[in-house]
Amino acid sequence: DAKTTQPTSMDCAEGRAANLPCNHSTISGNEYVYWYRQIHSQGPQYIIHGLKNNETNEMASLIITEDRKSSTLILPHATLRDTAVYYCIVRVAGVDFGNEKLTFGTGTRLTIIP
Amino acid sequence: KAGVTQTPRYLIKTRGQQVTLSCSPISGHRSVSWYQQTPGQGLQFLFEYFSETQRNKGNFPGRFSGRQFSNSRSEMNVSTLELGDSALYLCASSLEVSNYGYTFGSGTRLTVV
Repeated sequence: DAKTTQPTSMDCAEGRAANLPCNHSTISGNEYVYWYRQIHSQGPQYIIHGLKNNETNEMASLIITEDRKSSTLILPHATLRDTAVYYCIVRVAGVDFGNEKLTFGTGTRLTIIP
Repeated sequence: KAGVTQTPRYLIKTRGQQVTLSCSPISGHRSVSWYQQTPGQGLQFLFEYFSETQRNKGNFPGRFSGRQFSNSRSEMNVSTLELGDSALYLCASSLEVSNYGYTFGSGTRLTVV
């Protein structure tokens, strides 16, 4: 799986949009970008994933650059409950026998400030 | 529907002992993966099971083993515990074919003293 680079930490004011960047310059054509987050002492939670088009769901939006070498996760109206470590992961979507694993980096520790 | 259930939530063991952790996946999920999380190494993949067969394994010593039962429930075992095995052990389940990633349990926090 391609390696990802994320900032170690970020702050965001409550109610503002939180924009979390991720670099994945070695991503290959069949690899998707996944985002997970981990709130303290809980298991990681799936947020969103995408291949090359921008994606949006009830939790967040994912913007992927045209060259696919970087992406941004957007939490449109951050709340205190969004304080967590956010992980950007690239992998082949669905089942890829022999590669059913997630390779987590160190992630970005996002702190929402009241 | 019920999420991924891991038992026990907390466990304290002595060096040299062995431990068994349990994971019940979401109903209908046939793939179960295990991860270890420590402050120093972060989240690391242990192994993955599907239909009672181990399909993928991370870089952990043979003291770490697992199995999956016919109802998809999974257990992992760590023998001859070391202090460094203290960690949060997470289980994740997924459908056979899914683009929506994995659903994680809340984990078992193991402390080795």
